[in-house]
Amino acid sequence: QVRLVQSGAEVKKPGASVKVSCKASGYTFTTSYMHWLRQAPGQGLEYMGMINPRDGSTTYAQEFQGRITVTRDTSTSTVYMELSSLTSEDTAIYYCAKDPAFCPDGVCYMAYFDPWGQGTLVIVSS
Amino acid sequence: EIVLTQSPGTLSLSPGERVTLSCRASQSVSSDFLAWYQQKPGQAPRLLIYDISSRATGIPDRFSGSGSGTDFTLTISRLEPEDFAVYYCQHYDSTPYTFGQGTKLEIK
Repeated sequence: QVRLVQSGAEVKKPGASVKVSCKASGYTFTTSYMHWLRQAPGQGLEYMGMINPRDGSTTYAQEFQGRITVTRDTSTSTVYMELSSLTSEDTAIYYCAKDPAFCPDGVCYMAYFDPWGQGTLVIVSS
Repeated sequence: EIVLTQSPGTLSLSPGERVTLSCRASQSVSSDFLAWYQQKPGQAPRLLIYDISSRATGIPDRFSGSGSGTDFTLTISRLEPEDFAVYYCQHYDSTPYTFGQGTKLEIK
């Protein structure tokens, strides 16, 4: 079955960067987009961006433009999300989530999310 | 940006009851691009419903979705103990993809 396994919790100082990984298994990695979302403590869900693992093209939510970089390594079926210039407002659980569309070529995604990784807690504190 | 407003914020119910959760959009959601998720404490969200009314793989048929335009509902026909959780709606009509603030189902 499809499984997404994320890297462990991180503690960062304000101004630093964090890089979270998401290793996919159970399907052909390059045939489905991968998304990143986050959830601040006790809060709702916020969409961050997506990557097409086939060609590495990305689309980011406007709120994160300039601070987020999503990349992939097809040899290990892993997607990475790096967020820079961290502030306390970035303290959250970060999730990767697979797009359900099967997209062996071209541009296709649905932008709903199934399944999700287990989440990675990022704490930003001085 | 499409703003999704869920109501009520919290519902206290008993197992066996029927419940309907509401999600209202600030503008029409085209092409049926609305999903529902369930989230339990300490867990990632789980997809329940997509395209307004299609159940995701493995989701019991006591969960159903309906609606159109700006008004959508998630119905659980008969609450099981494992259904007490937070439920979120999400649109994928256009960027930015947004979520409602959630409805918490708690045991009465």
